[in-house]
Amino acid sequence: KAGVTQTPRYLIKTRGQQVTLSCSPISGHRSVSWYQQTPGQGLQFLFEYFSETQRNKGNFPGRFSGRQFSNSRSEMNVSTLELGDSALYLCASSAAARGVDGYTFGSGTRLTVV
Amino acid sequence: AQSVTQPDIHITVSEGASLELRCNYSYGATPYLFWYVQSPGQGLQLLLKYFSGDTLVQGIKGFEAEFKRSQSSFNLRKPSVHWSDAAEYFCAVGGSNFNKFYFGSGTKLNVKP
Repeated sequence: KAGVTQTPRYLIKTRGQQVTLSCSPISGHRSVSWYQQTPGQGLQFLFEYFSETQRNKGNFPGRFSGRQFSNSRSEMNVSTLELGDSALYLCASSAAARGVDGYTFGSGTRLTVV
Repeated sequence: AQSVTQPDIHITVSEGASLELRCNYSYGATPYLFWYVQSPGQGLQLLLKYFSGDTLVQGIKGFEAEFKRSQSSFNLRKPSVHWSDAAEYFCAVGGSNFNKFYFGSGTKLNVKP
């Protein structure tokens, strides 16, 4: 079956702009979580959605938001981009909430803010 | 608070040698335990997971991990490392009593020819 698909793979944006990243989970998976990965901070949890509801949110400013659609596809949005937002953004899906059955990750979106 | 510790930031082993990557967690009960591998510029791939039962868990690519409750550890092992195993490895904990996954900081594995 198809894996977790993230689009786009690479993105270059200018400071102050906003960006939307997309994630299509594995068919049948209702939980989608987003992580930010940087060399200095490692993997940091952004938020989790389960059946269109945000279940949990990490310690990120309100500029970071997300949503999940009825088909479980998810988007995350970052507004007023800052240089420090440059990172690999990973989406992960699982059948159960909080990934208790193990997450399947996408290949990520590499965001560069200039 | 829950935490996951991977004490080794970098490890270098020779091809064909055995490998053990360490992972310790801090949590009152036994969590669900996972090992992931990440190749450069890619997402994370699940190697194996432990929920309960047999404390020795077999995974993909010839990896195994052993859960030791007394040591709060879940170390990853491979008897003979291949050059293609060079990657970064992450230990993670989660479970129904957790509000999210907790990842370790990762161990970068370098394989010498």
